[in-house]
Amino acid sequence: GAVVSQHPSWVICKSGTSVKIECRSLDFQATTMFWYRQFPKQSLMLMATSNEGSKATYEQGVEKDKFLINHASLTLSTLTVTSAHPEDSSFYICSADKRGVLGEQYFGPGTRLTVT
Amino acid sequence: GDSVTQMEGPVTLSEEAFLTINCTYTATGYPSLFWYVQYPGEGLQLLLKATKADDKGSNKGFEATYRKETTSFHLEKGSVQVSDSAVYFCALNRDDKIIFGKGTRLHILP
Repeated sequence: GAVVSQHPSWVICKSGTSVKIECRSLDFQATTMFWYRQFPKQSLMLMATSNEGSKATYEQGVEKDKFLINHASLTLSTLTVTSAHPEDSSFYICSADKRGVLGEQYFGPGTRLTVT
Repeated sequence: GDSVTQMEGPVTLSEEAFLTINCTYTATGYPSLFWYVQYPGEGLQLLLKATKADDKGSNKGFEATYRKETTSFHLEKGSVQVSDSAVYFCALNRDDKIIFGKGTRLHILP
């Protein structure tokens, strides 16, 4: 299989604090990991692409200083939402590109962030 | 730029009915096309894919054919089950980035 986990599955934080979300590929090595944001009844919007050991590539309109991405190993990527505000409340989903399988991504179950 | 358009839901059908969810795309060249499914409380799963024109992807009774002349990749199933209730996303792959449609919620009534 190709299983991707995310932790936590949901988190509530106060405005102004930072939150870290982990994404792990459990049974394979990921060449690339992706972070998406999904609003209610909306599609997934790609936020950034990260390769192990290099800086993430952010999509247009995504603040890189607000959404910090670290891809420390071939099985772990983290997204830190810094100084979170209520408008950052959303469903964050990561995916991993299985090495050697071009074009397929395996998705985590998502993390629901609520900023109060 | 590249984009994916799929029919808006929700779609409600009775069990054993025939299902079609329309999907069209706009892209330069010939991207790979996908259908992903998101069951309640779970992450997205790849349902099927097609990598070139006239390819048919199939899985779990679902089928979709890559039609370049109509730039479409409609999802079909001959007889749906209650367990097929989920959100379905049509998508294309461009430079290893996936572009998703907005998703179609499907409700199957017993």
